[in-house]
Amino acid sequence: AAGVIQSPRHLIKEKRETATLKCYPIPRHDTVYWYQQGPGQDPQFLISFYEKMQSDKGSIPDRFSAQQFSDYHSELNMSSLELGDSALYFCASSLGLAGGKVYFGPGTRLTVT
Amino acid sequence: DQQVKQNSPSLSVQEGRISILNCDYTNSMFDYFLWYKKYPAEGPTFLISISSIKDKNEDGRFTVFLNKSAKHLSLHIVPSQPGDSAVYFCGNAGGTSYGKLTFGQGTILTVHP
Repeated sequence: AAGVIQSPRHLIKEKRETATLKCYPIPRHDTVYWYQQGPGQDPQFLISFYEKMQSDKGSIPDRFSAQQFSDYHSELNMSSLELGDSALYFCASSLGLAGGKVYFGPGTRLTVT
Repeated sequence: DQQVKQNSPSLSVQEGRISILNCDYTNSMFDYFLWYKKYPAEGPTFLISISSIKDKNEDGRFTVFLNKSAKHLSLHIVPSQPGDSAVYFCGNAGGTSYGKLTFGQGTILTVHP
């Protein structure tokens, strides 16, 4: 079965640079979520989109922005990168309000040097 | 703010025995509790969920128990298998988006052959 696809899988950037992470949800899923997991930390919710509209917002820095496109894929844009942004970024998708049952992608590991 | 805590960072059990993973929460305003399993360098995988109106949900070797009075959630794995070795996260889903999961810190389960 098709899963959530994230690209790139690994990304190395320097401080103050910009990064764009992409997420392709499971076909027919209309809801996308972004999570950030720092080293030794639990995943933290960043933001979610339902039917191309922002549905919920968590601890996402103002330097980050995200959107969901007409084909339901989503992009997380990160500017003025800081060392502390180094983390594993997960995207997840679901079909509507799925009772918490969301499917996670493999993650993008971002390293800021 | 919803807080979920897993107080045991690790658990080691023998193959064939029961594994019991625990989770405490502080906020009762939610609809679902969930357990996810995570292998290194992979995204979390949904295991099992329970609605807040229930106290038990079973799926194969996995059973989740919800004690609302104690604000406690547990996952029982019987019998445990070496392939169950992973990090287990409990989470709850609340707010307007059921996918906005709040995770605990995770428990590393090791099942010895």
